[in-house]
Amino acid sequence: GESVGLHLPTLSVQEGDNSIINCAYSNSASDYFIWYKQESGKGPQFIIDIRSNMDKRQGQRVTVLLNKTVKHLSLQIAATQPGDSAVYFCAETFSGGYNKLIFGAGTRLAVHP
Amino acid sequence: ETGVTQSPTHLIKTRGQQVTLRCSSQSGHNTVSWYQQALGQGPQFIFQYYREEENGRGNFPPRFSGLQFPNYSSELNVNALELDDSALYLCASSSQTGRGGNTIYFGEGSWLTVV
Repeated sequence: GESVGLHLPTLSVQEGDNSIINCAYSNSASDYFIWYKQESGKGPQFIIDIRSNMDKRQGQRVTVLLNKTVKHLSLQIAATQPGDSAVYFCAETFSGGYNKLIFGAGTRLAVHP
Repeated sequence: ETGVTQSPTHLIKTRGQQVTLRCSSQSGHNTVSWYQQALGQGPQFIFQYYREEENGRGNFPPRFSGLQFPNYSSELNVNALELDDSALYLCASSSQTGRGGNTIYFGEGSWLTVV
């Protein structure tokens, strides 16, 4: 399928290492944040979300950190695997409005064996 | 699998033509949003439908229009196609109030090429 991330910043990691993908969000009023994974030719896949009343949330092999002071979001992937290779997007929204997601620029994660 | 299905998966249209893209939302989800994703960029919000009415719109011209049906499925229509409309069109569904803060699931998208 066509690639959706031709000129995105790339993070290259070795298989088994931990990965950290960073995102700066734009709207101080945003109170709900989501990380999506997008593989080539596919739609965005939900990974993990976090609300603004939290600063950390853990899932299976993934952790999201939220720093509202500097409007920064990060996604940590433990023991990165080749199947984690994809483009990762953070998205923000405001729960007081309709479900409009604002997406960040995206980061390509390349996992090398 | 998110349960959000889109059709067609790929299509080619000529500039000036019209296109209709279709989406079936995840079971139990009453809110459908459409996004446009150009190559190398993140998805851009087009509009959202909740209970068959447009519930919010992004910065897209009126030639982008939509419908939501009683079964919550949806269509995106684009008239007078332009070359810049070439993109991946994504449908996303969520539940409950149509407000933000609910988990949003995407379909695999429809690739539109305008020549």
